[in-house]
Amino acid sequence: EAGVTQSPTHLIKTRGQQVTLRCSPISGHTSVYWYQQALGLGLQFLLWYDEGEERNRGNFPPRFSGRQFPNYSSELNVNALELEDSALYLCASFPRRVVNEQYFGPGTRLTVT
Amino acid sequence: GIQVEQSPPDLILQEGANSTLRCNFSDSVNNLQWFHQNPWGQLINLFYIPSGTKQNGRLSATTVATERYSLLYISSSQTTDSGVYFCAVEETSYDKVIFGPGTSLSVIP
Repeated sequence: EAGVTQSPTHLIKTRGQQVTLRCSPISGHTSVYWYQQALGLGLQFLLWYDEGEERNRGNFPPRFSGRQFPNYSSELNVNALELEDSALYLCASFPRRVVNEQYFGPGTRLTVT
Repeated sequence: GIQVEQSPPDLILQEGANSTLRCNFSDSVNNLQWFHQNPWGQLINLFYIPSGTKQNGRLSATTVATERYSLLYISSSQTTDSGVYFCAVEETSYDKVIFGPGTSLSVIP
């Protein structure tokens, strides 16, 4: 069974640019969490998508947004990049509302210069 | 919101040694999980343990929900156990997962 995949693996962007990160969940999983892991700040909950809808979001500004497609894959968009957006972005998928079965992807390492 | 603390922040062990990692949380939670993040960044789900005790090989975990803490035991540690161990709780009222700051473990041969 294929695990959670994320693309790209690494990304370098300039301040002010926009970026889109992608996540493909495990087959049969309908929920996706996005997390930001910045150096020294641990894992911060970003967004939760379930059945195509945003169910909850963490304490992040509106320039962090995303969507979930009918096949349950998801995108995370970050507009107007700032230096402090440099981080590892992780997505995790799980069966609907069974968050204890979340499986993580390998992450996308974003560097903003 | 709920606060999650982990101790110790850093731990260095000789291969074969045992250790106990602790997670404290400030309010009641829907569930609690332990994760291991290996040195390459991959996060692995170790335990789902809102209460009680579970064992998986050399690892075991105990959560005492009424006293708001959980313990992760690692016995006969191996170098492959190195990485960061996180506990994460799901807030009862807010439907989101809060991670603790992690315990960074280094197991040396």
